Amino acid sequence: DAEITQSPRHKITETGRQVTLACHQTWNHNNMFWYRQDLGHGLRLIHYSYGVQDTNKGEVSDGYSVSRSNTEDLPLTLESAASSQTSVYFCASSETGAPGETQYFGPGTRLLVL
Amino acid sequence: DAKTTQPNSMESNEEEPVHLPCNHSTISGTDYIHWYRQLPSQGPEYVIHGLTSNVNNRMASLAIAEDRKSSTLILHRATLRDAAVYYCILRDVEGNNRLAFGKGNQVVVIP
Repeated sequence: DAEITQSPRHKITETGRQVTLACHQTWNHNNMFWYRQDLGHGLRLIHYSYGVQDTNKGEVSDGYSVSRSNTEDLPLTLESAASSQTSVYFCASSETGAPGETQYFGPGTRLLVL
Repeated sequence: DAKTTQPNSMESNEEEPVHLPCNHSTISGTDYIHWYRQLPSQGPEYVIHGLTSNVNNRMASLAIAEDRKSSTLILHRATLRDAAVYYCILRDVEGNNRLAFGKGNQVVVIP
């Protein structure tokens, strides 16, 4: 069955280190998204991509970057991790982005920045 | 994106129907109404969506007011597995396929 996976599921890192979170989907979807979720908040969009070589900033993109070199993967990089980036990160994908379309979410990565 | 308003939390008894309200008074004519839910320690999952007419699927029903300024997600028989945060989200037809999540409605199911 097609799926969307994230790795690692849990990560502890130190302030200032570079961290990369992986997202891989096997649906061949064009659109991929990264969200973060903090206690007491809904999900907030970090970056998104509508296809290979396309990336766009979301509402909370500072300190994060993404690259899309193939259809299946959208890795999220924290250039220099900060304690404020401690959060749960969710990756999602959708096929065309039509307004009636479903987004499929991964299981999440819990990141702790010490 | 047009805004939605939901209760912060609700309680329901197991095996009884649950009606989750959502207000979206500034909805535009091209906005779709989507519902997602998030079980504890999991990513959000799609529940149902609609534009103007009521919709049914195996998970739930969506009742949309005639003026489209409100909608209600109906879980016909709540189970313990339905305990989750439910998000009501509007998506427009102008190519913006990002989901704007609010804080959602925490549903507690009482055995």
